[in-house]
Amino acid sequence: IVVTQTPLSLSVTPGQPASISCKSSQSLLHGDGKTYLFWYLQKPGQSPRLLIYEVSSRFSGVPDRFSGSGSGTEFTLKISRVEAEDVGIYYCMQGIHLPWTFGQGTKVEIK
Amino acid sequence: EVQLLESGGGLVQPGGSLRLSCAASGLTFSTSAMSWVRQAPGQGLEWVSAISGSGGATFYADPVKGRFVISRDNSKNTLFLQMNSLRAEDTAVYYCAIHYDSSGFYYGVGAFDIWGQGTMVIVSS
Repeated sequence: IVVTQTPLSLSVTPGQPASISCKSSQSLLHGDGKTYLFWYLQKPGQSPRLLIYEVSSRFSGVPDRFSGSGSGTEFTLKISRVEAEDVGIYYCMQGIHLPWTFGQGTKVEIK
Repeated sequence: EVQLLESGGGLVQPGGSLRLSCAASGLTFSTSAMSWVRQAPGQGLEWVSAISGSGGATFYADPVKGRFVISRDNSKNTLFLQMNSLRAEDTAVYYCAIHYDSSGFYYGVGAFDIWGQGTMVIVSS
């Protein structure tokens, strides 16, 4: 499955919202009723960390300014009010079909 | 607190071998599916291989199939990646990661919640 993110880079003023799109070449809806789309953030010099699992569930400790939405093949990550600590590269990932694949990444920087 | 600590990376010549280890703590290791994910310099993330909690089921990405072997020692809470016939394109940071939900592993679904800090592998003459 090919996973495509847009945009590839984003420059955001602190306090403003940001949105990243992720599209998959096949539906990520499984027969078990779950949709296996995930969002990760890799801050500079760090390992990736899970933000959102199964489209819209925030992982433990993730601030509520992060939200995920979508269905089937189209998904969105939204940051309601960007903070300086949100800089890094955001990846979406599909976990329904082997090999599990990531999008190209979206680099978010602060203006 | 769950922690993963990779080791074993380094410089190796093309065609050589290397064995990576990932020591886990703070979790019930034997019931957790695990994966290796790599990141070439300046590039994105690429899933490499996965193994079930028992070690009885494994999956590999096509670029490493037949060259890499994933295994685990549940008595020592340690995950391994044996890398053989290494190529320049295997140069990357290798991360071990815990699957967020191991129950779906056997029907081919997976994703990762906790990641290690990574270990660098450089394949060069």
